[in-house]
Amino acid sequence: GAGVSQTPSNKVTEKGKYVELRCDPISGHTALYWYRQSLGQGPEFLIYFQGTGAADDSGLPNDRFFAVRPEGSVSTLKIQRTERGDSAVYLCASSGNTGELFFGEGSRLTVL
Amino acid sequence: GENVEQHPSTLSVQEGDSAVIKCTYSDSASNYFPWYKQELGKRPQLIIDIRSNVGEKKDQRIAVTLNKTAKHFSLHITETQPEDSAVYFCAASKGTNAGKSTFGDGTTLTVKP
Repeated sequence: GAGVSQTPSNKVTEKGKYVELRCDPISGHTALYWYRQSLGQGPEFLIYFQGTGAADDSGLPNDRFFAVRPEGSVSTLKIQRTERGDSAVYLCASSGNTGELFFGEGSRLTVL
Repeated sequence: GENVEQHPSTLSVQEGDSAVIKCTYSDSASNYFPWYKQELGKRPQLIIDIRSNVGEKKDQRIAVTLNKTAKHFSLHITETQPEDSAVYFCAASKGTNAGKSTFGDGTTLTVKP
């Protein structure tokens, strides 16, 4: 596609529930990133994929967070047993050779 | 790990004036410094970037300067326009994975007509 696509754009869930957030990167971009942006702050790195493998997951806050990219294109961020502190905008970005990040519009997660 | 500090957090200027946003970083190995503009409710978009092998880069009304010794870099916007109003983020990363960036907390720029 023309840009990075993320679904859903908004997700409201209850504390303790499981959520999945999807990212479809720019065609041909092998690098894919997940960032989290809380209100009034800059994006915070979560995880990076190069192809199918998670090359760097050092930003995942705890083991409730997991992400996959099974075919090297679409990625899913999975959050188990959601907590109110998980509420944020989850941004996906893909990158080509220059390192420039092309962000999606984000998935706004609200945990009640 | 890398730490990026950004100042000021808010900036208000009159249309036509210049705006300057400053960032410092802690990791001397960082060598890629992008700036992103984020309008309300929209995605961050790259507006300009600089690599550590140059000290200044310009693109029309926007320029970025880098001082590697002092580990700080700045965004300069001249002849500001109301459509420049947005949140601006600086970031720093290393060349081995330029996309893994550490972001500042942003500067909300308001350009008054």
